[in-house]
Amino acid sequence: GQQLNQSPQSMFIQEGEDVSMNCTSSSIFNTWLWYKQDPGEGPVLLIALYKAGELTSNGRLTAQFGITRKDSFLNISASIPSDVGIYFCAGLTGYALNFGKGTSLLVTP
Amino acid sequence: DADVTQTPRNRITKTGKRIMLECSQTKGHDRMYWYRQDPGLGLRLIYYSFDVKDINKGEISDGYSVSRQAQAKFSLSLESAIPNQTALYFCATSDSMGQPQHFGDGTRLSIL
Repeated sequence: GQQLNQSPQSMFIQEGEDVSMNCTSSSIFNTWLWYKQDPGEGPVLLIALYKAGELTSNGRLTAQFGITRKDSFLNISASIPSDVGIYFCAGLTGYALNFGKGTSLLVTP
Repeated sequence: DADVTQTPRNRITKTGKRIMLECSQTKGHDRMYWYRQDPGLGLRLIYYSFDVKDINKGEISDGYSVSRQAQAKFSLSLESAIPNQTALYFCATSDSMGQPQHFGDGTRLSIL
């Protein structure tokens, strides 16, 4: 599979802070997806991006599909304790879903 | 009820044993996938199926086999389990080409 570079690997923040994470690739993708995984559960889709330059929000989450189609970022505003988890980016070309290695987010009250 | 159900949720077994992990879905999706998750490596594709008659190998298919018994059911088998197959296994479904995949809650498999 194609390698996705996701950063940062982990973040430790205080409740109320904003969070930003990103994903880059050497290959072009047609779709960028962001998932969240809680302990003991499967990844849950947060945001799907289908067009280069697209900016999409889902509540406090905002994600963008990079113009070059080789990158994407996810922002979380005003973090809360339930935002804790591992966030994965994934690039989709046809059927093949290529995952980043995840960003582990810890939020302290 | 979950849209994508995996059984069992946890399994501990011994080296050399045959193991089957099962996945069923109520989403009505044609496409189903099996992934493996190891710490620090993200998810990697083992096998995928676009319909009952279509089975394809993914990135890491060696040591695994699959069966698509029906549109709603896709099972993963380890014919002779080995310790480095200890991992989290996820089933996923999608509607069509280019659409997001939806995951089950996983099976934690430990091979001693």
